[in-house]
Amino acid sequence: DAKTTQPNSMESNEEEPVHLPCNHSTISGTDYIHWYRQLPSQGPEYVIHGLTSNVNNRMASLAIAEDRKSSTLILHRATLRDAAVYYCILRDSGGYQKVTFGTGTKLQVIP
Amino acid sequence: GAVVSQHPSWVICKSGTSVKIECRSLDFQATTMFWYRQFPKQSLMLMATSNEGSKATYEQGVEKDKFLINHASLTLSTLTVTSAHPEDSSFYICSARLAGAYEQYFGPGTRLTVT
Repeated sequence: DAKTTQPNSMESNEEEPVHLPCNHSTISGTDYIHWYRQLPSQGPEYVIHGLTSNVNNRMASLAIAEDRKSSTLILHRATLRDAAVYYCILRDSGGYQKVTFGTGTKLQVIP
Repeated sequence: GAVVSQHPSWVICKSGTSVKIECRSLDFQATTMFWYRQFPKQSLMLMATSNEGSKATYEQGVEKDKFLINHASLTLSTLTVTSAHPEDSSFYICSARLAGAYEQYFGPGTRLTVT
């Protein structure tokens, strides 16, 4: 799987938007961009994924650069429950589609 | 939908004993299940991929004779840590993939402490 680079940690004030960046300069044409998050002492939770176009769901938005070498996960209004480690992961469309985790970004939400 | 459970949620065992962790897909059939291990303040590390009815595929560096994986049905996979040692203490997490689908759903994890 191609590698992703994320900041180790970020802070956000409660109820403000958060933009979590991810660089993936070696992404291939068939790689999907996935975001998962892991709350303390819990298993990871799927957040969103996309291929080329920006995506929205009830949890977040995913903005994908035109060259696909970077993406940004957007939480529109951070809450204390959003404090977690956010993982940006590339997954190809073939094989067993295993999810390989990098180091992720630890998001701290300040009340 | 797409709920994955693990049992037990935590376990303490003595060094040298074996412990079994169950992973169940509650409302879907999972042809493929994955097992991860996570040490404190570290990311998840994939241990093995398990397909129903066949042998698991282990990642490099993971001892298959120590971490026995059985995926006997479409809703259950088990991980048995044999002859556990304190260095096996970790957070074990499974995930399951719905047949024909792309997404993986993760269980809540099992905290193993070996004394």
